[in-house]
Amino acid sequence: GAGVSQSPSNKVTEKGKDVELRCDPISGHTALYWYRQSLGQGLEFLIYFQGNSAPDKSGLPSDRFSAERTGGSVSTLTIQRTQQEDSAVYLCASSFDRGANEQYFGPGTRLTVT
Amino acid sequence: AQSVTQLDSQVPVFEEAPVELRCNYSSSVSVYLFWYVQYPNQGLQLLLKYLSGSTLVKGINGFEAEFNKSQTSFHLRKPSVHISDTAEYFCAVTRVSGGYNKLIFGAGTRLAVHP
Repeated sequence: GAGVSQSPSNKVTEKGKDVELRCDPISGHTALYWYRQSLGQGLEFLIYFQGNSAPDKSGLPSDRFSAERTGGSVSTLTIQRTQQEDSAVYLCASSFDRGANEQYFGPGTRLTVT
Repeated sequence: AQSVTQLDSQVPVFEEAPVELRCNYSSSVSVYLFWYVQYPNQGLQLLLKYLSGSTLVKGINGFEAEFNKSQTSFHLRKPSVHISDTAEYFCAVTRVSGGYNKLIFGAGTRLAVHP
């Protein structure tokens, strides 16, 4: 079946603009995670969804970052008033239910803020 | 809090040679351990994981890892590497009691296999 998909694959935006990154998890996967991969910080957890709720938002770096998930499926990560330090690859992963089940990662969205 | 240290940022090796990628972790609670691989311009793929039981874990593509609780290590090994193993490798942990799989990653080790 289809894996985790993310769009766009690349996004170049000007400093101060808002961006939306989309994640389509594997069908039936109730858990969804966002991570950020940057040169300076490595791979960092951002947020975890179980169904449509987000019990752990502890990794969101500032209040400019928000995410939602609708219908227990698609998730959108929104970054408002982008800054150059937001430039990174944003990875989405999903897994079947909670616990130590394998996370399946999407290919990522490469965000460049100019 | 948990942390992961990957002791080598880059490991060059010749084809068909053995390789070991080192990983140490720190945690005050029990953790599950994982190794992921990332090929260029791709997402992460799970190589293997340790949840419980035998401390020697076998994964895909001929990789294996050994969990050593006393040394808080989870080193990844392969007896004979191929050119296609060239990639970045990430060690990660998650709390057993967390109820979900919030991964804490190491900085990664870039494995370069030369002919």
